[in-house]
Amino acid sequence: GQNIDQPTEMTATEGAIVQINCTYQTSGFNGLFWYQQHAGEAPTFLSYNVLDGLEEKGRFSSFLSRSKGYSYLLLKELQMKDSASYLCAVLDSNYQLIWGAGTKLIIKP
Amino acid sequence: GAVVSQHPSWVICKSGTSVKIECRSLDFQATTMFWYRQFPKQSLMLMATSNEGSKATYEQGVEKDKFLINHASLTLSTLTVTSAHPEDSSFYICSVLAGDVEQFFGPGTRLTVL
Repeated sequence: GQNIDQPTEMTATEGAIVQINCTYQTSGFNGLFWYQQHAGEAPTFLSYNVLDGLEEKGRFSSFLSRSKGYSYLLLKELQMKDSASYLCAVLDSNYQLIWGAGTKLIIKP
Repeated sequence: GAVVSQHPSWVICKSGTSVKIECRSLDFQATTMFWYRQFPKQSLMLMATSNEGSKATYEQGVEKDKFLINHASLTLSTLTVTSAHPEDSSFYICSVLAGDVEQFFGPGTRLTVL
């Protein structure tokens, strides 16, 4: 079966750095997405990785290792507004998005 | 990216009634749209893939006669929840496929069935 695992909840301090991990087992791979979702709102796109390596975009970076079925989202200089759920999703061989359950990130002052 | 709107943002209805949710792609001609459902503290669950001018493709376990999808134009897809029941209460989100892989999401519709 297809499976995506990510921690249920993480807590971090304002101004610090946090890494949210995602491991996946899917039928085929056509890329991995990270989305941010605030409570009661729809997901917003953060990043898309299809090749191995690190992609940096401002305070957010995303890493992918296809051989390990592993990705992480790195958030630097955390701000209170970063409190949200972070969803990992993999595009499988049928170009269907397989979603993780999301990681709720709590930022404390 | 594509700008997607949904209407209504939230709706409360009585059990047994039907509810229609609209998803509009405001600045992009969307051949393919997706409908998702999200229960509290759970991830998104794909309900169906909607292709303009053809019948929607439903995921396993989703009743096509209960969740009617119409994608009559490149800018509008509608989801009608027929004979809604309390267990249908959920957050319904549509998305537009832009390019090969990227999806842009609407703001979601919160449905509460009493």
